[in-house]
Amino acid sequence: DSGVTQTPKHLITATGQRVTLRCSPRSGDLSVYWYQQSLDQGLQFLIQYYNGEERAKGNILERFSAQQFPDLHSELNLSSLELGDSALYFCASNSQGSTDTQYFGPGTRLTVL
Amino acid sequence: DAKTTQPPSMDCAEGRAANLPCNHSTISGNEYVYWYRQIHSQGPQYIIHGLKNNETNEMASLIITEDRKSSTLILPHATLRDTAVYYCIVRVNNAGNMLTFGGGTRLMVKP
Repeated sequence: DSGVTQTPKHLITATGQRVTLRCSPRSGDLSVYWYQQSLDQGLQFLIQYYNGEERAKGNILERFSAQQFPDLHSELNLSSLELGDSALYFCASNSQGSTDTQYFGPGTRLTVL
Repeated sequence: DAKTTQPPSMDCAEGRAANLPCNHSTISGNEYVYWYRQIHSQGPQYIIHGLKNNETNEMASLIITEDRKSSTLILPHATLRDTAVYYCIVRVNNAGNMLTFGGGTRLMVKP
């Protein structure tokens, strides 16, 4: 158990819909990272937040957005969903201390029908 | 971050040591070597990391060549539960930046 929690575990929805994925980082960690893993693309970085502020952006679509709240949990919002958005979505956290190791949550499996 | 090259797949007999190689010939002096694994569709699991010295923890050992252009992750006594995709990643530490995953090595531990 990494200490990072993600909800829900599974999500099934239809094209055009909007969903929200939630991530709670390990206690004390200030940074949250979101990654997407689809069958054809592998694990890809989407976006990073540090203590409530956006820190870095990767290959995140404009239809996707994220935020980190004062209690440090983060939400990834996916809108106007397409079939190709079906994937595993992982969040990771770290403290940005001396080791800077990222620890991953169990993921949310999104299926868009 | 430097690019890494790993064999796409490897087999290992249960109880034997699994030696997973990684080439990172363009690694910079301030880049660390990190290893993660992903069992089935679970979240990637941190294994170990190092800069230039060999490292060992309860999960594995990491051997980094003197020129730092390659490394080997060693699982001393592989079990069936070690079957996973193993990712070698090089990155600057303390930068707070993202991890760049390649294709990894799919390790199959066989009875």
